[in-house]
Amino acid sequence: KAGVTQTPRYLIKTRGQQVTLSCSPISGHRSVSWYQQTPGQGLQFLFEYFSETQRNKGNFPGRFSGRQFSNSRSEMNVSTLELGDSALYLCASSPLAGGPPDTQYFGPGTRLTVL
Amino acid sequence: DQQVKQNSPSLSVQEGRISILNCDYTNSMFDYFLWYKKYPAEGPTFLISISSIKDKNEDGRFTVFLNKSAKHLSLHIVPSQPGDSAVYFCAASAGGSQGNLIFGKGTKLSVKP
Repeated sequence: KAGVTQTPRYLIKTRGQQVTLSCSPISGHRSVSWYQQTPGQGLQFLFEYFSETQRNKGNFPGRFSGRQFSNSRSEMNVSTLELGDSALYLCASSPLAGGPPDTQYFGPGTRLTVL
Repeated sequence: DQQVKQNSPSLSVQEGRISILNCDYTNSMFDYFLWYKKYPAEGPTFLISISSIKDKNEDGRFTVFLNKSAKHLSLHIVPSQPGDSAVYFCAASAGGSQGNLIFGKGTKLSVKP
């Protein structure tokens, strides 16, 4: 079974631009969560989607948004990029929403650099 | 305010010895704790977990201990191997759901041959 895939793996943008990151969950998984990893803050939860609905949202500004499609693929969007948005963005999938946390599998991440 | 803290950014251990990674938490609502291992350029990989109703969980060379009164958990790796060299993250959740895991900032473990 293929793992969680994220595209692109690396991305360079400039301040003020917007970016869209994509995540394809493991086949059969319907829940997708997004996390931001930075050296200063570590791994922080962004949001969780299940059946195209956002179930949980972390403490991030409205510039960060996401969505999930009917095939469970998910995208996250960051508008008006700031230097501090430079981070590794990780996607994780799990079979169901609300299940045990150890059923969650992470993708390799998208490394976003904002210049 | 950090709810999950890993106070040691790095740890160096000799191969064959025990590695002990520590994690403290502040939120008494946390009822499920996990350890993840992360290599560079890869996503975190689930290692071992423990529910708050237990105080120990063992899986091969890995054992997690939970001390609820001290709000402290630790991961023991015995014996340590060079392939264990990675960043280890402690994470916690409330209500047993994978949504909104709270992570520590990680401890970089180096196991020297």
